Amino acid sequence: DAGITQSPRHKVTETGTPVTLRCHQTENHRYMYWYRQDPGHGLRLIHYSYGVKDTDKGEVSDGYSVSRSKTEDFLLTLESATSSQTSVYFCAISDLETQYFGPGTRLLVL
Amino acid sequence: GENVEQHPSTLSVQEGDSAVIKCTYSDSASNYFPWYKQELGKRPQLIIDIRSNVGEKKDQRIAVTLNKTAKHFSLHITETQPEDSAVYFCAAQEETSGSRLTFGEGTQLTVNP
Repeated sequence: DAGITQSPRHKVTETGTPVTLRCHQTENHRYMYWYRQDPGHGLRLIHYSYGVKDTDKGEVSDGYSVSRSKTEDFLLTLESATSSQTSVYFCAISDLETQYFGPGTRLLVL
Repeated sequence: GENVEQHPSTLSVQEGDSAVIKCTYSDSASNYFPWYKQELGKRPQLIIDIRSNVGEKKDQRIAVTLNKTAKHFSLHITETQPEDSAVYFCAAQEETSGSRLTFGEGTQLTVNP
């Protein structure tokens, strides 16, 4: 597996609370991505980054923000978590084409 | 934007049979098509990919074919084994999209011993 870690791996939180998920890579890849995976929807892109401080929205970005202050770290923030954001979140990294996925974070919003 | 459709959503085969999963894409500018395998509770892992200048690629029991004119590509698994049971995702990437991938919704493959 590529050098990608995600933290936390599991989290339970309450509606309305802020949540930050972290993705860390040791591969020095330029591109980083956040996806959510839900039954029947496959993998849907939330936000992605093409360099430090350079980010853009994906297809399901509402309710999420991201930051990338260092090449190795990409943070996903749920400003005010809702039950619809209960999901498995995957980070991915890429040099140009091939994307490699992190182990995932299971988030439950009660 | 790109739209990827994947069929079937579930596929059950007997061990030793072949399995075929098909995907179509909408954007003729897409030029890179990876396939991922995801076992239960694990991360998606790349198993094979193909670029638009190639029509077919093989890796042992796995092959992928691409028809650019029809905008579809397929995954072929021969001599299936129980450990092939997983969810398989196809994806398409367009060169100008910042390396973004658009995924199909996945196929649950079950190989029965």
